[in-house]
Amino acid sequence: GQNIDQPTEMTATEGAIVQINCTYQTSGFNGLFWYQQHAGEAPTFLSYNVLDGLEEKGRFSSFLSRSKGYSYLLLKELQMKDSASYLCAVKRTGGFKTIFGAGTRLFVKA
Amino acid sequence: EAGVTQFPSHSVIEKGQTVTLRCDPISGHDNLYWYRRVMGKEIKFLLHFVKESKQDESGMPNNRFLAERTGGTYSTLKVQPAELEDSGVYFCASSQETDGVGTEAFFGQGTRLTVV
Repeated sequence: GQNIDQPTEMTATEGAIVQINCTYQTSGFNGLFWYQQHAGEAPTFLSYNVLDGLEEKGRFSSFLSRSKGYSYLLLKELQMKDSASYLCAVKRTGGFKTIFGAGTRLFVKA
Repeated sequence: EAGVTQFPSHSVIEKGQTVTLRCDPISGHDNLYWYRRVMGKEIKFLLHFVKESKQDESGMPNNRFLAERTGGTYSTLKVQPAELEDSGVYFCASSQETDGVGTEAFFGQGTRLTVV
């Protein structure tokens, strides 16, 4: 079977750093996506990790540990506009199906 | 370049009626996906087209749902007859990946379906 877990909600302060964790159990792993989704809008791509380690892209970084079935998204220098849902999604091998977690709603306060 | 577009953005129908959702993928993207998000739940995969062929429809809930992609361009998702539990946001996404290696999928804005 497959299962993706991430916290339901998180709150952080403007200018701070926040880490959103994601754990997964899946048969066949091809890579892990992070998407950002503002309310009422389409999910937008943030990152894709295939190999273990940290990938940095501006204020956002994503980490993957395949052996532990674990990833995190790190957001630095938080801005109010970062308030959104962050979706962890796993792409399985042998096809194109991507399994999404329920998402973490991040609230950034002044 | 136009992104993935979906129509309508909102639809309110009565139980038992039929609704057809449309998705226009990014031009040149062979892969088209339908997803659904029911209130408070995760986005769930419905099916995947490669051009006009259904590659994987394992996520389709039941035979009241019918997806087509004639000519390998736009796709439609028909719900007939609609039930209350079909309410949710239906997302379409497209991508260029051709070998199973993950590349980003571009999502449409979604169609919010409400069945009353």
